[in-house]
Amino acid sequence: QVQLQESGPGLVKPSETLSLICAVSGDSLSSSNWHWIRQTPGKGLEWIGNISSSGGTNYNPSLKSRVSISMDTSNNQFSLALTSVTPADTAIYYCARLILWWIDSWGQGTLVTVSS
Amino acid sequence: DIQMTQSPSSLSASVGDTVTITCRASQNIATYLNWYQQKPGKAPKLLIYATSSLQTGVPSRFSGSGSGTDFTLTISGLQLEDFATYYCQQSYRAPPLTFGPGTKVNIK
Repeated sequence: QVQLQESGPGLVKPSETLSLICAVSGDSLSSSNWHWIRQTPGKGLEWIGNISSSGGTNYNPSLKSRVSISMDTSNNQFSLALTSVTPADTAIYYCARLILWWIDSWGQGTLVTVSS
Repeated sequence: DIQMTQSPSSLSASVGDTVTITCRASQNIATYLNWYQQKPGKAPKLLIYATSSLQTGVPSRFSGSGSGTDFTLTISGLQLEDFATYYCQQSYRAPPLTFGPGTKVNIK
């Protein structure tokens, strides 16, 4: 059974870069499609972007200029970088696996607060 | 982007009730519609994929239907563990994946 675990700082200062890692077990990064999704009380669930099994990426147009997703196949993990953060980027960040066209596995989520 | 709406935004129901939640897409998404359940402090959990297919391990009291722009999630015989927030999500025109705003099912 696949398991995903997010890790990274819980507090980031405004204008800095938010960096998270998702460690995957029970599946290979080269087998599936991997996503980042965030959740806020105000905007609900917001798709951030994904990286495919071959390393191709797609990003939400609303975040595209600030987002980068990469993968580290040797450690079976993928990463999110979100630059120039503001308090509006405060959210619970989830990593997830997409199978065909539904998300069947989610990490537990990690709260990231943007504050000085 | 395809916008997803849900109604109602919240509802109150009793154990044993049948509950129906509606999801509407801003354009035709065929049957590329999925439903998730989320409990407080937890990640969303896949309930139904491709409009009407039950994810492994999900009780049969959950069912989904629809096509095009209008979809429903029905819970027949609400149980205590079903009190949660439910989200629909489309994958027809993705990226981006888009989610509905959620429907919170409260205990009456």
